[in-house]
Amino acid sequence: DAGITQSPRHKVTETGTPVTLRCHQTENHRYMYWYRQDPGHGLRLIHYSYGVKDTDKGEVSDGYSVSRSKTEDFLLTLESATSSQTSVYFCAISESLVNDSPLHFGNGTRLTVT
Amino acid sequence: GENVEQHPSTLSVQEGDSAVIKCTYSDSASNYFPWYKQELGKRPQLIIDIRSNVGEKKDQRIAVTLNKTAKHFSLHITETQPEDSAVYFCAASIVQKLVFGQGTRLTINP
Repeated sequence: DAGITQSPRHKVTETGTPVTLRCHQTENHRYMYWYRQDPGHGLRLIHYSYGVKDTDKGEVSDGYSVSRSKTEDFLLTLESATSSQTSVYFCAISESLVNDSPLHFGNGTRLTVT
Repeated sequence: GENVEQHPSTLSVQEGDSAVIKCTYSDSASNYFPWYKQELGKRPQLIIDIRSNVGEKKDQRIAVTLNKTAKHFSLHITETQPEDSAVYFCAASIVQKLVFGQGTRLTINP
């Protein structure tokens, strides 16, 4: 398994509360990604990072922010959680551009917003 | 933006038969097309990929074909086995990102 650890693995939170999910990698890969998985929608990109302090938006970035202060850590923050953000969140990493090196996923975080 | 359409959403085949899953993409700049398998409760895992300079790639019972002109690519699984039951995702690259299809739930019936 690629050295990717997501925490927490499960979380239940209330609407309006802030939530931070953490992705930690031990592979020293440059690229890190946050996806959400919902039935019927596959995997949709939220934000990604192409280096320390370098991030960009994906297709479903509204309501989410990210930070990457170290190569190994990529944080996803929901500033004020809503029920529509109930989902399974996957972190992924790649050594270089995705068309040059494969994307490897973490084990996911199941988030429930009540 | 980039769009990847995947069909069918569900597929049920008899053990030993073949299964085919098809995807189309919209951006002609896409040049890398991986396939991921996700078992229940697990993370997606890469099973095979193909680049735009290749028309077909095979790995044991799994093969992927690519038609750049038509912008579609397909996953073929032959001699299906119970352990092939899973959700399969296709994806297409665009610059620094992968865009995924909606997924196909494959069920192998004994």
